[in-house]
Amino acid sequence: SQELEQSPQSLIVQEGKNLTINCTSSKTLYGLYWYKQKYGEGLIFLMMLQKGGEEKSHEKITAKLDEKKQQSSLHITASQPSHAGIYLCGADTTSGTYKYIFGTGTRLKVLA
Amino acid sequence: GAGVSQSPSNKVTEKGKDVELRCDPISGHTALYWYRQSLGQGLEFLIYFQGNSAPDKSGLPSDRFSAERTGGSVSTLTIQRTQQEDSAVYLCASSPPPRSTDTQYFGPGTRLTVL
Repeated sequence: SQELEQSPQSLIVQEGKNLTINCTSSKTLYGLYWYKQKYGEGLIFLMMLQKGGEEKSHEKITAKLDEKKQQSSLHITASQPSHAGIYLCGADTTSGTYKYIFGTGTRLKVLA
Repeated sequence: GAGVSQSPSNKVTEKGKDVELRCDPISGHTALYWYRQSLGQGLEFLIYFQGNSAPDKSGLPSDRFSAERTGGSVSTLTIQRTQQEDSAVYLCASSPPPRSTDTQYFGPGTRLTVL
């Protein structure tokens, strides 16, 4: 079973709509990282969350780490075709180590 | 360049051949990671280098896989006697010296296809 579960696995939305992607762990998250990946490209770092309740925003993308530090959500407001891609969450579940685990990704398609 | 670079971007090889994948990390980054991303799967940790310390090879799937990092910079991942199940995208990442915010910066990956 996957240690880091992402949902949904894929998402198709109309341009302008809001959407949310979730990342859930069975373990405490000491660091939670959101990345975006496009075909043929590497992972692009979006943001990192460490503290329970922390929320960060970058342009129209907001990510939050829940108080118990076991789930994060990524929210896109007024989606655009440029938001299309695969969103991956990565996490450090063993404080102070480098061994990230990653979710399987959420494939987002935005229809113009 | 300012980012992590990998070469080649694509590699097609025949079963049984050896391949070498290269990673150039961001200058000044002491940590370097190799991951494998298979179709429909998440990223699988392969190996980790940190400065001059012995690498953590615990993620390497078999003894056909090896990696080295010369001079604390460029790294090469070698797969010997490739098998079809080795087909995947191999991603390299680097991060700055250890601190509380160890964000990993990824390269574009090498897509390996074993026929």
